[in-house]
Amino acid sequence: KAGVTQTPRYLIKTRGQQVTLSCSPISGHRSVSWYQQTPGQGLQFLFEYFSETQRNKGNFPGRFSGRQFSNSRSEMNVSTLELGDSALYLCASSLGGGQGETQYFGPGTRLLVL
Amino acid sequence: GQNIDQPTEMTATEGAIVQINCTYQTSGFNGLFWYQQHAGEAPTFLSYNVLDGLEEKGRFSSFLSRSKGYSYLLLKELQMKDSASYLCAVGANQAGTALIFGKGTTLSVSS
Repeated sequence: KAGVTQTPRYLIKTRGQQVTLSCSPISGHRSVSWYQQTPGQGLQFLFEYFSETQRNKGNFPGRFSGRQFSNSRSEMNVSTLELGDSALYLCASSLGGGQGETQYFGPGTRLLVL
Repeated sequence: GQNIDQPTEMTATEGAIVQINCTYQTSGFNGLFWYQQHAGEAPTFLSYNVLDGLEEKGRFSSFLSRSKGYSYLLLKELQMKDSASYLCAVGANQAGTALIFGKGTTLSVSS
């Protein structure tokens, strides 16, 4: 069974631009969560989608948004990029999104904002 | 507030045993996870505890005390390949799978 895939793997943008990242969950998984990982803050939860609905949201500004499609694939968008948005963006999928379910992480998209 | 603490770095030698501690204070609790992350790779699941006690899985064991807000990951018979970052995470939402992560413990295993 294929794992979680994320595209692109690497991205360089400049301040003020916007970016869209994509995540394809493991086949049959319906929950997708997004995390930002930086050396200083570690892994921080962005949002979770289940059945095309945002179920939980972390403490990030409105510039960070996401959506999920009917095939469970998910995208996240960051508008008006800032230098501090440089990070590894990880998505994770789980089967039904229930409490205690194991999340499986993709390889991440490394974003560099110049 | 939500807070998860774990040591930043630890070192150990091959064949030894190491215990990585994690303390947490969260507004909710739906279980505690441990993930392993090698440099440049995605985190991979190691263990999940939702009830108090010890869960053993091969060379790795994880312990939870909910009353103390405390967990540890025990790694036995250390190997060089165990050099990685170990992430403690708590499921803190009433619904869904959102995890609050600690900043991770970087373990270096030397020969």
